[in-house]
Amino acid sequence: GESVGLHLPTLSVQEGDNSIINCAYSNSASDYFIWYKQESGKGPQFIIDIRSNMDKRQGQRVTVLLNKTVKHLSLQIAATQPGDSAVYFCAERASTGFQKLVFGTGTRLLVSP
Amino acid sequence: ETGVTQTPRHLVMGMTNKKSLKCEQHLGHNAMYWYKQSAKKPLELMFVYSLEERVENNSVPSRFSPECPNSSHLFLHLHTLQPEDSALYLCASSRDRGTNGELFFGEGSRLTVL
Repeated sequence: GESVGLHLPTLSVQEGDNSIINCAYSNSASDYFIWYKQESGKGPQFIIDIRSNMDKRQGQRVTVLLNKTVKHLSLQIAATQPGDSAVYFCAERASTGFQKLVFGTGTRLLVSP
Repeated sequence: ETGVTQTPRHLVMGMTNKKSLKCEQHLGHNAMYWYKQSAKKPLELMFVYSLEERVENNSVPSRFSPECPNSSHLFLHLHTLQPEDSALYLCASSRDRGTNGELFFGEGSRLTVL
């Protein structure tokens, strides 16, 4: 069945370091992927997305990499800041028609000053 | 300020109570969603409404009853819940049901069932 998982439940980094959060997905037919950030007490917020016809997309301080060969997705955060501390979810669109997203369990990013 | 507002933010109820969660979106979107977020589990899609019509019911027990009176408002009526229903209930909206792009989430209603 479809599944989206994360390699590490918690990632601790120092302020200023680059962070890499990984995600594995199992549905090779998924064509769209999103990263969300959820801060404590808040709902998930969109960070960046990528379509399956791309292997890299950059935003402000964030980069998403997609490796379809091994069904792997990663989120890179440059110069990580304390405000980046949150839980990060990857999600894949498992079917067409509407936004039926399958979410991973999340990785908690802890940034130390 | 979020474009999706949920009330109440916190709710404690007994198993015999009836309560409702409310969601309002100010984004002019046509699709609205209820998700359940439990500790250490992925977000679970419960219901999807598109243009006020329910288009997805993900095998949710009948003790959860959604209502979408218009494209801006979504309710989740709760009745005879179980302690395992305690979770964060997230409402989300999107421009429409067929587009790529983001879901806009509210801040959630934290439900505790005693």
